[in-house]
Amino acid sequence: AQKVTQAQTEISVVEKEDVTLDCVYETRDTTYYLFWYKQPPSGELVFLIRRNSFDEQNEISGRYSWNFQKSTSSFNFTITASQVVDSAVYFCALSEGVNDYKLSFGAGTTVTVRA
Amino acid sequence: KAGVTQTPRYLIKTRGQQVTLSCSPISGHRSVSWYQQTPGQGLQFLFEYFSETQRNKGNFPGRFSGRQFSNSRSEMNVSTLELGDSALYLCASSLEAGPAYEQYFGPGTRLTVT
Repeated sequence: AQKVTQAQTEISVVEKEDVTLDCVYETRDTTYYLFWYKQPPSGELVFLIRRNSFDEQNEISGRYSWNFQKSTSSFNFTITASQVVDSAVYFCALSEGVNDYKLSFGAGTTVTVRA
Repeated sequence: KAGVTQTPRYLIKTRGQQVTLSCSPISGHRSVSWYQQTPGQGLQFLFEYFSETQRNKGNFPGRFSGRQFSNSRSEMNVSTLELGDSALYLCASSLEAGPAYEQYFGPGTRLTVT
């Protein structure tokens, strides 16, 4: 069964619009970590954020913000005032347990920001 | 500080051959993980190494193997290549084992099997 589901395959917006990427995860572990990565056309995965299951505080970093809700098993990502440089594939990932770095990735959401 | 480096960046092999990919982690990082990325299956975990020991392995056949050296550099080997092994192979390193540590990815090795 898919552990991480990113329902949106592609999103296209005009510059300065806000974009929200959905991520729903599934795990029976009480301790787990959630991640968001960005993959620009160059191919290298860029780390954006890590959250552990005990920290439900939302986070804002510049134009990026994340909403973690354990009640709905969701970890959504919003880009505010999008820019062309935000065009990339964004992956949500889950790592279960505390000792193992074994990421389960979602299928990714391709974000295209048009000027 | 230099990032994660992977060599070679591009590789073309013939079905039935074997291939070895190399990954040099960030200096001081002791944990290395490998992932396979294909259009059909997406990003899938291959292995995790820490202190020269394989800690985890993903759901891949025995043709996929790896190792880690005492300087934390890692190699992965794929024997008897199949067309479906064509993929981007990504290596990632972290300071220590476990998801509490930030994992940095390399640029990947693009393997094409013909």
